[in-house]
Amino acid sequence: EAQVTQNPRYLITVTGKKLTVTCSQNMNHEYMSWYRQDPGLGLRQIYYSMNVEVTDKGDVPEGYKVSRKEKRNFPLILESPSPNQTSLYFCASSVGAGDEQFFGPGTRLTVL
Amino acid sequence: AQSVAQPEDQVNVAEGNPLTVKCTYSVSGNPYLFWYVQYPNRGLQFLLKYITGDNLVKGSYGFEAEFNKSQTSFHLKKPSALVSDSALYFCAVRSRWNYGQNFVFGPGTRLSVLP
Repeated sequence: EAQVTQNPRYLITVTGKKLTVTCSQNMNHEYMSWYRQDPGLGLRQIYYSMNVEVTDKGDVPEGYKVSRKEKRNFPLILESPSPNQTSLYFCASSVGAGDEQFFGPGTRLTVL
Repeated sequence: AQSVAQPEDQVNVAEGNPLTVKCTYSVSGNPYLFWYVQYPNRGLQFLLKYITGDNLVKGSYGFEAEFNKSQTSFHLKKPSALVSDSALYFCAVRSRWNYGQNFVFGPGTRLSVLP
């Protein structure tokens, strides 16, 4: 089944404790992206990747890191999480940047 | 800078009536335009997109959208609403000429279809 998977689905952590949210797609897509969803703000793009080893900042990259060492994986790293990073996070992938995106199920992160 | 506006936080419509969810955008050059739907506790699902060609785009589940370049709008429509259409709808835009390749989503419109 074609899908985008994210882990974990739910995470509660404390300020400053490094964490990684994994994202994997099995569709051989080149474009991958991370978004955060906050009430009233819609989805805001954090980082995106056009292909392996090619990443770039979206609209809200501060406090986040990404890497794209393999085509299928695009982990999101929070080196020192803060409470304002409490949000619902989505990973997405598509064939190319102008194509429909397939979204993962989301990761609900709470930073205390 | 790119931006998307969805002027209505909430749209209520009776089952069987036509529905419209509005979207206006601002982008440099020609746009890629998308509509996505989010059901409760789910990820987003693609509905339809406009790249070029006919201004009326048909998508999944009987939805369609009309691209209006002069009004920079891309309103989502359906001739006859179903209760199961109740969800959160997002409009998104990307510039075709933007080297940055980033997407901008609107804040979302919650559609409630009343039986």
